[in-house]
Amino acid sequence: DIVMTQTPLSSPVTLGQPASISCRSSQSLVHSDGNTYLSWLQQRPGQPPRLLIYKNSNRFSGVPDRFSGSGAGTDFTLKISRVEAEDVGVYYCMQATQFPYTFGQGTKLEIK
Amino acid sequence: EVQLVESGGGLVQPGGSLRLSCAASGFTLSNHWMTWVRQAPGKGLEWVANIKEDGSEKYYVDSVKGRFTISRDNAKNSLYLQMNSLRDEDTAVYYCARGRQTVYWGQGTMVTVSS
Repeated sequence: DIVMTQTPLSSPVTLGQPASISCRSSQSLVHSDGNTYLSWLQQRPGQPPRLLIYKNSNRFSGVPDRFSGSGAGTDFTLKISRVEAEDVGVYYCMQATQFPYTFGQGTKLEIK
Repeated sequence: EVQLVESGGGLVQPGGSLRLSCAASGFTLSNHWMTWVRQAPGKGLEWVANIKEDGSEKYYVDSVKGRFTISRDNAKNSLYLQMNSLRDEDTAVYYCARGRQTVYWGQGTMVTVSS
């Protein structure tokens, strides 16, 4: 199984400042079709998860452009250019390249 | 508007069974893979199972293989998860999601396995 490791597990951030979350996979996430099926999801308190980024760097419909995804192979990053209060929650990376699909442990983003 | 509504959760004793349903609307179910994901209380997300558009391919996490069965009825716009031989560690909120990349999520249904 592909293990997804996120760092940090907790990230206190000042409003208006940038934030960055790293996700590392134990194997390359490049699929045989050439795509990299790495997604980022946000889970606000008491809410179901919500897709932010799919296929490594594609922002989903309605997601603010302050969110961006990047990376390749086994190393990926979610960046928030300027953190807003509504960004508080837990962020997960997920790989859908190889079954069983797997999630990172989650990174809790909180405001300082 | 895409909507996914899970139902069928509840309290069940260890060894018991439950069938979860996910009612889909706002899109054509037969055009999409579907996914079940669960989240134990206070824990992270765990992928449970996937099913192809026509039901011809199904995949499961090892911990539920042989106990859970994912199925779908495209004519009824519904996804299902039959859960047998339930264990304490199956206690979680169960979410259905559209697509292999979980593009849209439902609100979830709580399953509690306890004596």
